[in-house]
Amino acid sequence: QVQLQESGPGLVKPSETLSLTCTVSGGSFSNYYWNLVRQPPGKALEWIGYIYYSGSTDSNPSLKSRVTISVAASKKQFSMKLTSVTAADTAVYYCAGGLSNYYYNYWGQGALVTVSS
Amino acid sequence: IVLTQSPGTLSLSPGERATLSCRASHILSSSYLAWYQQRPGEAPRLLIYGASNRAAGIPERFSGSGSGTDFTLTISRLEPEDFAVYYCQQFGSSPRVTFGPGTKVEIK
Repeated sequence: QVQLQESGPGLVKPSETLSLTCTVSGGSFSNYYWNLVRQPPGKALEWIGYIYYSGSTDSNPSLKSRVTISVAASKKQFSMKLTSVTAADTAVYYCAGGLSNYYYNYWGQGALVTVSS
Repeated sequence: IVLTQSPGTLSLSPGERATLSCRASHILSSSYLAWYQQRPGEAPRLLIYGASNRAAGIPERFSGSGSGTDFTLTISRLEPEDFAVYYCQQFGSSPRVTFGPGTKVEIK
């Protein structure tokens, strides 16, 4: 069974860069689409972007200028960097994935990242 | 594509039937519509994909239907663990993925 684990900073200062890494265990990494989804406190889910195990990627136009998603297949990891963060980027960040890019079978437990000075 | 979910909150008793609606702003292929359940403090869980296919391990009381712009998630008889927030999600045009605002199913 595929399992995902997020690792992030917990607290980031405004204008700095948020870095989050997702580690996949318990199953294959290849042939999967790996996604990042966030959820501000009390709000709905927002798709950030995805990366295919081979490296092709896409992201939400609302974040595209600030987000970079990368993959380290040998480590079964994928990562996100979000630059110039503000309080509006405070959210629980989830790693998610599946064999189809149309929906997500597997989710991490989520990592709360707070943007505050 | 913008997804709209209704109602925002559904107040029902255990054993009752729940009908949740998801409407898309443009015609959507059924293959690209999924439903998730999110309990408080937990990650979302995939319930339905391709509009009507139950994900692995999902009880038969959950069913999905619809096509075009109108999709429905039905819970035939609510169990205590079904009181949660439900999101629909589409895959398609830019942004490639969007979620609806959610429907909260609460105990009446």
